This record gives sequence, C-alpha cells and structure tokens, in this order.
Amino acid sequence: AQTVTQSQPEMSVQEAETVTLSCTYDTSESDYYLFWYKQPPSRQMILVIRQEAYKQQNATENRFSVNFQKAAKSFSLKISDSQLGDAAMYFCAYSSGNTGKLIFGQGTTLQVKP
Amino acid sequence: AAGVIQSPRHLIKEKRETATLKCYPIPRHDTVYWYQQGPGQDPQFLISFYEKMQSDKGSIPDRFSAQQFSDYHSELNMSSLELGDSALYFCASSLALSGRPGELFFGEGSRLTVL
Repeated sequence: AQTVTQSQPEMSVQEAETVTLSCTYDTSESDYYLFWYKQPPSRQMILVIRQEAYKQQNATENRFSVNFQKAAKSFSLKISDSQLGDAAMYFCAYSSGNTGKLIFGQGTTLQVKP
Repeated sequence: AAGVIQSPRHLIKEKRETATLKCYPIPRHDTVYWYQQGPGQDPQFLISFYEKMQSDKGSIPDRFSAQQFSDYHSELNMSSLELGDSALYFCASSLALSGRPGELFFGEGSRLTVL
C-alpha cells in the first residue's frame, strides 16, 4: 500500500523569506502523481502544485516549486518570498495513475510571521 | 469561475439519525469524489463516481451510501450515525480527459456534528 509521510507538524517562516516543507512517500508503482494542497482556515483544499512521476523536471508555479527526488521518494515544497496569505495547513498527496483517489500525508501547519 | 458546491455547510445530528450531503461539481466535470476529514486528521478517500457509475471505493462504512445523478450531482447518505462520524466531508470533482490526471477541485466541505 502507498503511504505519504510529512514529518513536520508545524513550520514557521518570516514574511518574504523562503521555507521548505518535507514529504516522503512509499510506493512500488511507476505511474503516479504527487501534489501539494493548501488548506487555509476557510477549510477549502486548494491545489498548489502537481508533479508527474515520469517527469524529471521539477514543477514550478510562481513562488512555489518542488524538489522531486524519485529514487529517494522525496517530494518537498519550497515557498519563496512567503506572504501572510500562505499561512495554512499544507498536505502532500499521492495518486496512482490517473485516478483521483488521493492519499494524503498528515499535514504541516505553516505560520507566516510579519 | 464556478466551483464545487456543497450543501449543507453545517449539519448537526443525533446518534442513530440519518444525514444526506449534496455535492454539485464544476460544470462539465464528469467525476466526483468524497473525502472525510476527522478533527486534526488528513482527508480519507471514501468513494468516487465517473459518469454516474461508482469508479472506486475507499474506507467508506457500510452505513454510508452514495450515488451520482443524471445531472452529475452527487449525494452521500449516512445512516445510523455514530459520534465518530463527526467530520468535515469534502466533495471534489474533476474532468477525466482534462489532460491533468489526478487534479481535483474541492468544495468548501460540509461539517457534520453528531451529538
């Protein structure tokens, strides 16, 4: 069975600085996708960034980028120029193939200090 | 842009009662997913539907059932409610042939409290 692990329950960062959230996963599959979702206090899950396992190039979305290390089964999220609106719970998630059956990690609460 | 609509946003029920949650996916999305997020927990996949047929099943209790209707909206029916069913229930939708597999759009969730 696939598992996703986020070992940092809480992280904090100063506004305008950079922070990295860690995620590791375990799978024996070759076709899968990895995601970072943001859940602000409003509760709605919002997709931050998405990575296809077959792509070696790390995904980037504006201030958000990932470091995808397939052999190490690591998928970290880097947030540059952190903003107050980035404060939220961040979930790392895995899906097999093209299903929407996401397996989530435990989440990391990010605090952004002004 | 239209988003996933869930109703009700909040629901309070007594033990052993029945609850129904509704989900209206983004227009033209053909796949609906249900997730349950307990207090302080990560979301757990319950069930999904593609083109009105059940496509996958996760850790959904036998007391729960769901379906997707001809207009693509979905309903999650929960019977014989237990205290442990208190959670945030998310619905998400996607378009199977979007070219972006696994990308889900979530609703704001329905918070069920069982007393």
